[in-house]
Formats: sequence, structure tokens, C-alpha cells
Amino acid sequence: ETGVTQSPTHLIKTRGQQVTLRCSSQSGHNTVSWYQQALGQGPQFIFQYYREEENGRGNFPPRFSGLQFPNYSSELNVNALELDDSALYLCASSSLGGDDEQFFGPGTRLTVL
Amino acid sequence: EDKVVQSPLSLVVHEGDTVTLNCSYEVTNFRSLLWYKQEKKAPTFLFMLTSSGIEKKSGRLSSILDKKELFSILNITATQTGDSAIYLCAVEPARGSTLGRLYFGRGTQLTVWP
Repeated sequence: ETGVTQSPTHLIKTRGQQVTLRCSSQSGHNTVSWYQQALGQGPQFIFQYYREEENGRGNFPPRFSGLQFPNYSSELNVNALELDDSALYLCASSSLGGDDEQFFGPGTRLTVL
Repeated sequence: EDKVVQSPLSLVVHEGDTVTLNCSYEVTNFRSLLWYKQEKKAPTFLFMLTSSGIEKKSGRLSSILDKKELFSILNITATQTGDSAIYLCAVEPARGSTLGRLYFGRGTQLTVWP
């Protein structure tokens, strides 16, 4: 097991609602990346946070936003949920510029009805 | 646009068989290629490859990278039912300050029957 934790494990929301997902990074890691994995697909990069600032973003609309806190934990917020947002959301922690690979958390399964 | 293609998408074998999973990529400023195993949720790290021609091994698993032909293979010998999983290939470009951004393929779903 990695030291990366995510909460909640599962979540069911309806269209139009807002959701916040949380991630605690592995000790010693200063970078958190978020990925969306739709059923049958590989994870897609949403954005990365380094030292509390966004450090790169994938092709996701602005209603996907995030935060990183001084302890390097992170939140992913999604506003105005759409059915296509149903997916497994993974966070990965790493040490930017280091040789360590990224360690993934167990993910949050989001279902939008 | 950066792209990672895995093949086959799905594979069914019997215990004891040897399998080869393929990953080809197109990426600007290649930094590394990584293999992950995903059983239920969290992808778990298998290998990181940065240099061509150097095989990495871990038990029955091995992997090699060809940076000239832009592909990698993951071999699993003497497969076991516990090897059943999705195997993900990801590439990390070295571009700007966004190190650690991974581009994933769709994965290969491996099923091993007893």
C-alpha cells in the first residue's frame, strides 16, 4: 500500500450538483496530480499542484478546480456535475523533480445520476 | 498531441502461459515510460524505464524500452490467476515545469484462467 489516501471511497451525486474530493499525499511528497479514469479508459490528467499552486492542467473545463494545502494534501472540486463526470478519480503524489515514481491513492468512485 | 497506444486491449490466457503486452508512444521530449498494474482501483507501480535496451526485471515480470522505435513491452512468464488485472502504460514528457504529468494508454485487460 502507498501512503496516499483519498476520501470518500464512493459518492453518488445528481446532475448540477457540486462535489469535493480529498487526497492526502505520501509523507515527503510535495506534488499532487489528479486524474480522471472513465470506464474502460486510461487515467486522464486533470491538473497538478505543487507548493499550493496549480502547475499544469489537462483538457478539462474550469468547473474542475483544485486546492493544495500547506501540508500538501489536496482537494478536487467539480461544479455543475454532468453525467460524463462519472468516473474513478485518482490522485497521485510525488516529489517534483525527484526520481521517485508517482504513488496513486485508491481513488474515489463518483457516480452522477 | 502526445499519444500512448497499448495492444492488445484484452487478453485471455491459461495459467503457466507467457504473455507480452505492447505499448507504443508519440511524445515530445520523452522523459520516462512507466508500467502500472491496476486490479481494483489504485494503479500500482511496476517499472520505470528511461534508457533503451536495458531490461528491468521483477520476479516473473520484465520490461524493456526501445526509444528509437518508440515502444515498450511488458512480459509476464508463467502467468498466475493473481496476474489478472489491467496493465497500464504511461509516458512522462519533460516539458516545462510540469514534470510528473503522465499520459496513459487505455490499458490491457489480462485475464488468467486456472
